[in-house]
Amino acid sequence: GIQVEQSPPDLILQEGANSTLRCNFSDSVNNLQWFHQNPWGQLINLFYIPSGTKQNGRLSATTVATERYSLLYISSSQTTDSGVYFCAVERDNNDMRFGAGTRLTVKP
Amino acid sequence: DAGVTQSPTHLIKTRGQQVTLRCSPKSGHDTVSWYQQALGQGPQFIFQYYEEEERQRGNFPDRFSGHQFPNYSSELNVNALLLGDSALYLCASSSTGIITNEKLFFGSGTQLSVL
Repeated sequence: GIQVEQSPPDLILQEGANSTLRCNFSDSVNNLQWFHQNPWGQLINLFYIPSGTKQNGRLSATTVATERYSLLYISSSQTTDSGVYFCAVERDNNDMRFGAGTRLTVKP
Repeated sequence: DAGVTQSPTHLIKTRGQQVTLRCSPKSGHDTVSWYQQALGQGPQFIFQYYEEEERQRGNFPDRFSGHQFPNYSSELNVNALLLGDSALYLCASSSTGIITNEKLFFGSGTQLSVL
């Protein structure tokens, strides 16, 4: 099956700093999503982005499908951005494969 | 518009027991997927239900079974519980179409502890 690798595993930032999270995947995909899991366990869908670039406020994402990676950018980070960020991909069999996540801690 | 709702939020069982977890999908969604998330790991796909049938299954034993009802709600059953089944169980809903899992919406999960 598809392998999903996320880096870095942990990231600690000061409030206001910018960050880039990376997701590498081992095969072509027709679906890629980024999620944020808050400290209470709730998974929130951030982007559906199998290719191209999208922006939503302070967050943006880019997927280069031909090179099998995706990047999530967080600008002007806030303490509420803390949590775990997951990348998930799907090829064509209806099961989303998640990476191990990047744990982000934003300090005030 | 209610999102994905799961019940119960927490559950404590002992080894060998059986458990049933419940999920109501987001309004307008017809497909329900279940995931298991162990501490410190990403969610792992258990199975997906559509039109009251299991459409796809991940690498989980037959002790894990499910059901989808005509109103699209779903249950996850786990028999003969093992200590290793302790995890957060997440339900996700979507709408089957060209890309079924486009914009997955997750519930808050059921935290299962097996003692």
